[in-house]
This record gives sequence, C-alpha cells and structure tokens, in this order.
Amino acid sequence: DAKTTQPTSMDCAEGRAANLPCNHSTISGNEYVYWYRQIHSQGPQYIIHGLKNNETNEMASLIITEDRKSSTLILPHATLRDTAVYYCIATAARGTSYGKLTFGQGTILTVHP
Amino acid sequence: DTGVSQNPRHKITKRGQNVTFRCDPISEHNRLYWYRQTLGQGPEFLTYFQNEAQLEKSRLLSDRFSAERPKGSFSTLEIQRTEQGDSAMYLCASSPPGTGNGYTFGSGTRLTVV
Repeated sequence: DAKTTQPTSMDCAEGRAANLPCNHSTISGNEYVYWYRQIHSQGPQYIIHGLKNNETNEMASLIITEDRKSSTLILPHATLRDTAVYYCIATAARGTSYGKLTFGQGTILTVHP
Repeated sequence: DTGVSQNPRHKITKRGQNVTFRCDPISEHNRLYWYRQTLGQGPEFLTYFQNEAQLEKSRLLSDRFSAERPKGSFSTLEIQRTEQGDSAMYLCASSPPGTGNGYTFGSGTRLTVV
C-alpha cells in the first residue's frame, strides 16, 4: 500500500462541511483510495472509495486530484455522530497485497455543537 | 442481514490459557479478514481468507496464532498460551467477490490477558 499522510486532528462545527485531506504522493496506478472511520469502541466503517474520478454516496464525497497524489473526504453537513477517527488508505484492488489494508494513525475529527 | 458478527465481545483470560474467537461474515461475502488493534493505533492486518483458503498471513501472526475457515463460512482465530502482549481488540471483516469493494467490519472481540 502507498503511504498516506493525514492531519492528526481536526475540528468542525455541527452542520458545517468537514473536509478531511489525505496525501498519497506515491500512489500507484492500480491503487484505490479508501476511506474508513472508526467510532470509539466499534469496528471501522467503510465510507467511500475511488480510483480516479470523484465519487459521492449517501455518506460523503471523495475528491481526488487529477495527479492522484492527494484526496479530500467531504462530509457535507457534519453531525455530532460524525466524531470519529478517519482513515485514508491507498491499496491495490488486485495482486498479492489485495486484502491487506494498511491503517495509519488517521485523523481524529471532533464535531462541536 | 445483520452484518459481521463476532463472539465473544469481551474475553478476559489468564496468561498461558488458550482462547478462541469466532467471526460470522455476511453470508454472500467470500473474503474474510482478521485484524488486531491496540490502544491508540490503527488496525493491523493478521490474515485473509478467500472462501476456505488462507491466502495471506502477516508476520504478526506468530506460531501461537491459528486461523481457520473450514467451510468458507464462519472463521475462528485461536491464540495458544496467551501473553499479556496479546491484549488487544481483534477485528474481523468480510467483503464480497469482485475488485475494489469496501470491507464490512464487525464490532470486534476485546481480549484482556491478566
């Protein structure tokens, strides 16, 4: 998996958009960008993933730069329940490394009332 | 479908005892993964099954650790002769066939070795 770099922590006001950045400058052409989050005492929860194009689902949007060296996860209207550790992972979808997610330290997002 | 189920949720054991954890993945998911997470750290990969075949094992999985998925459905993770350093959250995840799919994690089994 390509190394990813995320800020250690971020704050966001409830109702505002939370924009979580991730750098993955050594990402390979076959590596996807995945985002997971982990709320205290629970298992990680899949949020979204993408390869080249921007993606959106019911939880979030993923913006990947054209050179694929960085991405941003956007939670459009953050709520208190979005307070969690957010992990950005770059991993191949095929080959021997498939199946092995390499989690870093992630970003602790705190949503304030 | 109730998601990935792990049992027990919590386990306290004495050092030197053997423990076994169970994971029931989502029924149509053919891939199953075990991870370990210690306090303040992200999850670390342990092993991965595709159907009943164990395809990859981390160096973290010492000889005291063994995982099985006998019929390609549920999986067990056994730790023999537990040590205090084995205290951690053990997470199971599953994913469907195909490439690029996200994993669904269970809530984990919290192991405390005293």
